[in-house]
Amino acid sequence: KNEVEQSPQNLTAQEGEFITINCSYSVGISALHWLQQHPGGGIVSLFMLSSGKKKHGRLIATINIQEKHSSLHITASHPRDSAVYICAVSGSDFGNEKLTFGTGTRLTIIP
Amino acid sequence: EPEVTQTPSHQVTQMGQEVILRCVPISNHLYFYWYRQILGQKVEFLVSFYNNEISEKSEIFDDQFSVERPDGSNFTLKIRSTKLEDSAMYFCASSESAGAFYEQYFGPGTRLTVT
Repeated sequence: KNEVEQSPQNLTAQEGEFITINCSYSVGISALHWLQQHPGGGIVSLFMLSSGKKKHGRLIATINIQEKHSSLHITASHPRDSAVYICAVSGSDFGNEKLTFGTGTRLTIIP
Repeated sequence: EPEVTQTPSHQVTQMGQEVILRCVPISNHLYFYWYRQILGQKVEFLVSFYNNEISEKSEIFDDQFSVERPDGSNFTLKIRSTKLEDSAMYFCASSESAGAFYEQYFGPGTRLTVT
C-alpha cells in the first residue's frame, strides 16, 4: 500500500512569492498527479507526470523517481492560486489505475 | 471543453435510506471511478469500472454499495442503506482508457449528508 505524504500541510505567503509544495511516496508508481481543490470542493487535474518536469503557465511540477519525491512550484503567486493542492499516485501495475491521495496542502496567498 | 457532470450537487437523506448518485462521464471515456472525501480527510478510492464490470474496489466498497452503467452515458453509485458515516463528498472521475498513464477527469462532486 502506497503512503503519500505532503508538506507543508498549510502554507501562507505574500502575493508574488515563489511557492514549493512537496510530495513523497513509499512504493514505486506509474504516474504522479497534482490536483487542485477549490473551496467549493471541485477537483481539477493540474499535471500528470512519470518522469522529469512539466510546466504550465506559472506552475512547474518535477518528479524524482529514484527518490520517490515530487515538487509543485508556483512562480509569481497570486491570491487566485489559493486552494488545496493534492498529490496523488497511481500504481505500477496495469489494472491498478486507482489514485492514492495525499492529505493536501492548503495554500493561502495574501494580497 | 468536455467535462464530467454529477447530480445532484447536494443530497440530504435519512439514515437507512437508499441514495443514487449520478455521473455523466466524458463521452469517449471508457474507464470510470468513484472516490469519496469525508470532511477534513483525504480523498479515498471506492471503485473503478471498465468494460461494464468492476475493475477494482476498496475495503470501503462493501455490500451496501453498487455501481451501474445503465445506459451509454450515465454511471451511478448506489448506497443501499445509508449510515451517518457515509456523509461525504463523492467524486466521479473518468479517463480515456485503462492504464495509469491516462489522466483522470473529475466531476464537481455530490455532497451527501446523512442525518
